[in-house]
Amino acid sequence: NAGVMQNPRHLVRRRGQEARLRCSPMKGHSHVYWYRQLPEEGLKFMVYLQKENIIDESGMPKERFSAEFPKEGPSILRIQQVVRGDSAAYFCASSPPGPGTDTQYFGPGTRLTVL
Amino acid sequence: GEDVEQSLFLSVREGDSSVINCTYTDSSSTYLYWYKQEPGAGLQLLTYIFSNMDMKQDQRLTVLLNKKDKHLSLRIADTQTGDSAIYFCAVPNSGNTPLVFGKGTRLSVIA
Repeated sequence: NAGVMQNPRHLVRRRGQEARLRCSPMKGHSHVYWYRQLPEEGLKFMVYLQKENIIDESGMPKERFSAEFPKEGPSILRIQQVVRGDSAAYFCASSPPGPGTDTQYFGPGTRLTVL
Repeated sequence: GEDVEQSLFLSVREGDSSVINCTYTDSSSTYLYWYKQEPGAGLQLLTYIFSNMDMKQDQRLTVLLNKKDKHLSLRIADTQTGDSAIYFCAVPNSGNTPLVFGKGTRLSVIA
């Protein structure tokens, strides 16, 4: 059973460009979470999605950031008009459906560098 | 909301025990987690403990939970150089699913 997959692993963008980060959850998992890790920091929650629904986006910046988890295909975290402060590691996690199964399994992350 | 605190650094000699401590603020969390992150890698789920337990042991790992003091610890017995990593304590936010992480404890193992 493959784990959580993220791509690309490394992404370099110039200021003003768009960044698209992809996450495929573990097989059988329908819940996806995105976290951001700044250097020397812990992970900060951004958004929690189920298929075709955003459940909690309380950690998402109000502008330039969006996330989706379509019925088919991976979850996408999209950052428009990137700035240097967006440079960070972005981690995706997934968990299975149902109550009492909130344990989250993480992917390897996408390291975004904004020049 | 939830707040999670950890000490930032710990250095031990190979073969000794390591104890990594964590405090949190919200006592309604059901599960509490420990993750391990090696350089340049993602987070590996190490272990977790249910909130109605005081202790959980899994091979070289022992988790202790003091709900009264809101204190969680991870003990690694017979620490090896391969245990060198950053260890994160993570607690669900006010019973909801998103996790709140501490800043991580960087464990250095000296051969």
